[in-house]
Amino acid sequence: DQQVKQNSPSLSVQEGRISILNCDYTNSMFDYFLWYKKYPAEGPTFLISISSIKDKNEDGRFTVFLNKSAKHLSLHIVPSQPGDSAVYFCAARGFGQNFVFGPGTRLSVLP
Amino acid sequence: NAGVTQTPKFQVLKTGQSMTLQCAQDMNHNSMYWYRQDPGMGLRLIYYSASEGTTDKGEVPNGYNVSRLNKREFSLRLESAAPSQTSVYFCASRISGASTETQYFGPGTRLLVL
Repeated sequence: DQQVKQNSPSLSVQEGRISILNCDYTNSMFDYFLWYKKYPAEGPTFLISISSIKDKNEDGRFTVFLNKSAKHLSLHIVPSQPGDSAVYFCAARGFGQNFVFGPGTRLSVLP
Repeated sequence: NAGVTQTPKFQVLKTGQSMTLQCAQDMNHNSMYWYRQDPGMGLRLIYYSASEGTTDKGEVPNGYNVSRLNKREFSLRLESAAPSQTSVYFCASRISGASTETQYFGPGTRLLVL
């Protein structure tokens, strides 16, 4: 049973528009959430994170929103650029230093 | 400053063969991790090491062993490879603090077990 879910395997967005990537989790003990971006044949790279005691964190074009009551977080990218085309993984920190990743969402930003 | 390096980049094994995947980081991080990535399943944690001299099992440890040789190096060993271990393996090191939580990943090792 997946503890971290990304229900959209893929998403296409026009350049300049907003991209919204969603993530749901089941374990209320997760205390930190992270987003990673991955290009083909490369390792994931860290984008942005949020502690469970916050509901929003912003870094440039990237904003992460956390709704603890719904066990839901989302990553907003504004404006979207062609270079943002990649697979995005949501991850959660559990007990100790254990991390659980979602299956990923492939974002395509169309010029 | 190379970050996290992994060797080899690609390996083909026959069922039953053994091999060690090497990982090193030059960021002086205490924690290091091994993940595998399979299609449609994201990254799954195999083992991690919170500090030099300690290792702990993750979600999918069966068939693997690890060694935290020193602060820089964390190796993953397959004693008797099976086709189910065909995957892409990523090593990561982690930094965390009061307002920080980040993992830095290596480029990956693509393993094919025939």
